[in-house]
Amino acid sequence: GAGVSQSPSNKVTEKGKDVELRCDPISGHTALYWYRQSLGQGLEFLIYFQGNSAPDKSGLPSDRFSAERTGGSVSTLTIQRTQQEDSAVYLCASRSGQPTYEQYFGPGTRLTVT
Amino acid sequence: TQLLEQSPQFLSIQEGENLTVYCNSSSVFSSLQWYRQEPGEGPVLLVTVVTGGEVKKLKRLTFQFGDARKDSSLHITAAQPGDTGLYLCAGGGIQGAQKLVFGQGTRLTINP
Repeated sequence: GAGVSQSPSNKVTEKGKDVELRCDPISGHTALYWYRQSLGQGLEFLIYFQGNSAPDKSGLPSDRFSAERTGGSVSTLTIQRTQQEDSAVYLCASRSGQPTYEQYFGPGTRLTVT
Repeated sequence: TQLLEQSPQFLSIQEGENLTVYCNSSSVFSSLQWYRQEPGEGPVLLVTVVTGGEVKKLKRLTFQFGDARKDSSLHITAAQPGDTGLYLCAGGGIQGAQKLVFGQGTRLTINP
């Protein structure tokens, strides 16, 4: 079956511009996560959606970051007024039900802010 | 605060050698997962362990969950160049949270 897809795969933007990153989760998965990964490092949690519940935004680094999930499926991560320190790979993952919390990742979007 | 500490962060060994990667925490997890990530791709799940003391084998890879569910190890026997990659451990279920906490990763290089 189809896995998690993300677009674009690469994005180069100028400092100060806004960017939107898209995630299409695995069909039927109720939970969706966004992570940020700096070069060769571990994953930094950003935001988590579960069904119709309010999202867990505790990992968003600043108010320039926001995300939404429409219709319980596709999600968009928006970064406003991008800064050079926002450069990273942004990974999306989706998950089916409990209890093992297994997450399935997309290939990521590499964001470069110049 | 880094809740999961992986060691070593970098490891470069010769083909055929054995190695162990460690993932340690002071927190208890309901599950512990290991992922492998290759350049330009997202992490791919290798295994999930949920019971204290559990051991799982995946070909030449052996995964163990500590008795107290605070730590885990990944042992690779007779490493091959195809094992090269970034290995990430991730703990789930702290205080009922449904998000994973990731270690900083171990970058493994197997030299032919």
